This record gives sequence, C-alpha cells and structure tokens, in this order.
Amino acid sequence: DIVMTQAPLSVSVTPGESASISCRSSKSLLHSNGITYVYWYLQKPGKSPQLLIYRMSNLASGVPDRFSGSGSETDFTLKISRVEAEDVGIYYCGQLLENPRTFGGGTKLELK
Amino acid sequence: EVQLVETGGGLVQPGNSLKLSCATSGFTFSTAWMNWIRQTPGKRLEWLAQIEDKSNNYFISYLESVKGRFTISRDDSKSSVYLQMNNLKEEDTAIYYCTTYSYWGQGVMVTVSS
Repeated sequence: DIVMTQAPLSVSVTPGESASISCRSSKSLLHSNGITYVYWYLQKPGKSPQLLIYRMSNLASGVPDRFSGSGSETDFTLKISRVEAEDVGIYYCGQLLENPRTFGGGTKLELK
Repeated sequence: EVQLVETGGGLVQPGNSLKLSCATSGFTFSTAWMNWIRQTPGKRLEWLAQIEDKSNNYFISYLESVKGRFTISRDDSKSSVYLQMNNLKEEDTAIYYCTTYSYWGQGVMVTVSS
C-alpha cells in the first residue's frame, strides 16, 4: 500500500500570514497519463472533509485561490496564503492513484 | 445542489451486522464511482470500498482487512450506494462516509461495543 506522510502534525498561523503543509508518498503518484493523483482535503470542525485540490494542483470548485497545490512525483505541498479564520481545521492529503486509496494522518491548522 | 445522505448507523454488538445506505442527488450518479471511507476516533481516514459504474461492469474493490466482511453495492435507479457490514468488530467503530472523492456525505456513526 502507498503510505502518505504529512508534516507537520499541527501548525499555528497568524491570520493574514501564509502556511504550508507537506505530504510525501512512498511511491510515485505520477500516472503514465501525465496526471499526478494527489488530492488535498480540509475537514472543518464538526464537518465532513471537503475537496480543496485535485490532481496535485487543480483548485476545486468554490475554493478560494488563496489555496494552491504543487509538488513532484512523491513530494507535495499545500500552500495557504493569507490565512483566514475559516481555514481552521484538519488538512489531509490522499492518493487516488491506486487501491487501496490512502491518506495522510492529517495536519491541524490553528490560529494564533 | 449535490447531496449525499448516509443512514443506518448506530450501536451494535460485536459479531452483529449493519447495513449503511447513502442516498444521493444533484449529480449524475449512474456514471460516478462510489466509495465508502471511514474516520476512526483518532481522526484517521480509511478507504474501505469502491464500486465503479456500469460502463466498468460495476467493478468492486475492497480494503484487504474488510474483504469478506463488508459488501458494497449500488442501485442506479435509486441513486444510492450501500455498505453491508457483517461480523462487526470494536475496531470498526468510526464515522462512515460515502463519497465520490469530490462530494462527501455528512457521515454516519457506527459504534461496535458490548
């Protein structure tokens, strides 16, 4: 199974500043079709996970452009510019390249 | 508006069974690959099962650790997906979500305890 490792476990950010979350996969997530199958989700307190980024760098519908995704075949970064109060929650990366789908352990974002 | 609504959760004793249902609307269910993912009390997300669409012969995949105990199915006429869970164990205690990966339901709690 592909192991997804996130860092840090938690991050505390001053509103208006930026935050970055890292995710590493134990295997390349680059498919032969040229698509990298890493996804990013945010789970706000008491809510279901919501899709932020799909296929490494594509912004999901309705997601503010303060969010961006980047990376290589095995190392990925979610960047949040100008953090707002509504960005608080747990961020997960996940791989949808192959079954079983697997997810990182999550990164909790809090405000200072 | 896209909606996925899970039902059927609850408290069950170890060894018993439970069937979860997920009713959907607002998207083309018949072509969607549907999944069940659970979130453990420790907040870990664990993919359980996937059922593809008719064009892919409703191909099914399972997490190895639930294979033989859990059964995913779908009814395209009702835009619904199901998860039959048998021989439940305490470690199956979690919130269960149905999802297309883009859309998620609100989740349903399953507690396995004597």
